[in-house]
Order: sequence, then C-alpha cells, then structure tokens
Amino acid sequence: GAGVSQSPRYKVAKRGQDVALRCDPISGHVSLFWYQQALGQGPEFLTYFQNEAQLDKSGLPSDRFFAERPEGSVSTLKIQRTQQEDSAVYLCASSPPGTGEGETQYFGPGTRLLVL
Amino acid sequence: AQSVTQLDSQVPVFEEAPVELRCNYSSSVSVYLFWYVQYPNQGLQLLLKYLSGSTLVKGINGFEAEFNKSQTSFHLRKPSVHISDTAEYFCAVSDGGGGSNYKLTFGKGTLLTVNP
Repeated sequence: GAGVSQSPRYKVAKRGQDVALRCDPISGHVSLFWYQQALGQGPEFLTYFQNEAQLDKSGLPSDRFFAERPEGSVSTLKIQRTQQEDSAVYLCASSPPGTGEGETQYFGPGTRLLVL
Repeated sequence: AQSVTQLDSQVPVFEEAPVELRCNYSSSVSVYLFWYVQYPNQGLQLLLKYLSGSTLVKGINGFEAEFNKSQTSFHLRKPSVHISDTAEYFCAVSDGGGGSNYKLTFGKGTLLTVNP
C-alpha cells in the first residue's frame, strides 16, 4: 500500500516568509508525528497528534511553529517568519491503532527546507 | 529526558565482513529501543525494535541487536554486509510503559559504507 507522503519535497524560502508543509499519513493511521532533522543530526520530536487532537507539542521550537490536523488525516506544519536556523528536513511519521506501546512509526521521505 | 549516543559517526567496512554499530542510551526504569535505516532521499525504515522479552532481537535484512540493560546498550550487528547496506543508521529510544512512550529520541546516526 501507499506509504506516508510529504509535499513539497524541497522548499526554498526567503527569510521572513511563511511556509506550509503537508503530510499525508498511511490510511487508517491514528497517530501522526512531526520531527525536525538538522544537517548531520538525528531527527528531533516536534509534535504528536492522535486523530485530530494535538496531544503533545512540547518539541515545537518557538511560537512561529504551528501544526494542525483538522480532520484527523492530513496534517500541515506551518512555520511563520522563517529564519535561517529553521533550515532542516522535516519528517512526518504515522502509526496504526494499537496498544500504544512501542508502536512502529512509519516515516515519509521528508521536506527539505532551505531558508536563505 | 532520554538521550542516545551512537559512538561512531562513520563505519567503513568491506563487503561480506561483519559489522557492529554501537548505541548507548541514558538509563531509565524501562525503555523501548529501535534501530532505523535511512537510505539517501528516503524516509526512515524500521529495522528492528525491543519492547520486552528476549534480549536478542532479529530484524529485517539479516540485522540483529542485543539489549544489555546493565550496560545500557543496544548494539546492531550483521554477520556479513552487502553493498546495498550502505546507508545511515539511527538508534532511538522511548520511555517504556510511560505516558510519552510515543516520543522517540534519536542518536546522531552512523553512516555505514560498504566497499567492494
């Protein structure tokens, strides 16, 4: 079946611009996650949704970052007034319904954001 | 907060040689442990995970890992590597049985390069 898809795959923004990154999770997956991967680093947790509810946003680095999942499927990560330090790969992952204990997260290919 | 240390940033090996990629995590009452692989321009793919039970975990593509609680380690091994195993490998941990067990903390990654 289809995996997690993300769009756009690449985004170049001028400093100060707003950007929106889209994630289409695997159909039927309840949980959705966003991670930020800086160059040469491992992914870092940003936020977690269960259906449409955002249950954890502790990893969002500033109030310029905002994520939503209004109908419990597609999610959008929005970054306002982008800064150079926002340049990174943004990964989306989803996981199926289950016990919630150590469920496998399935990752998309990521959106590479470059802020000039 | 959890932390993960991948002791080697790069590991070059020859084809058909054995390999071990090292991973240590910060101590906690209980943890879930994961190894993911990332091929160029692709998302992370789960190789294997430890939730409980047998400390030797077998995964896809001939990889295995051993959970060692006393040494807080979860090293990844393969007895004979192929050119196609060339990729970045990430170790990750989450709190086992806790309310935030969905939150993965990743190491910085190990680049495995298999040479002919």
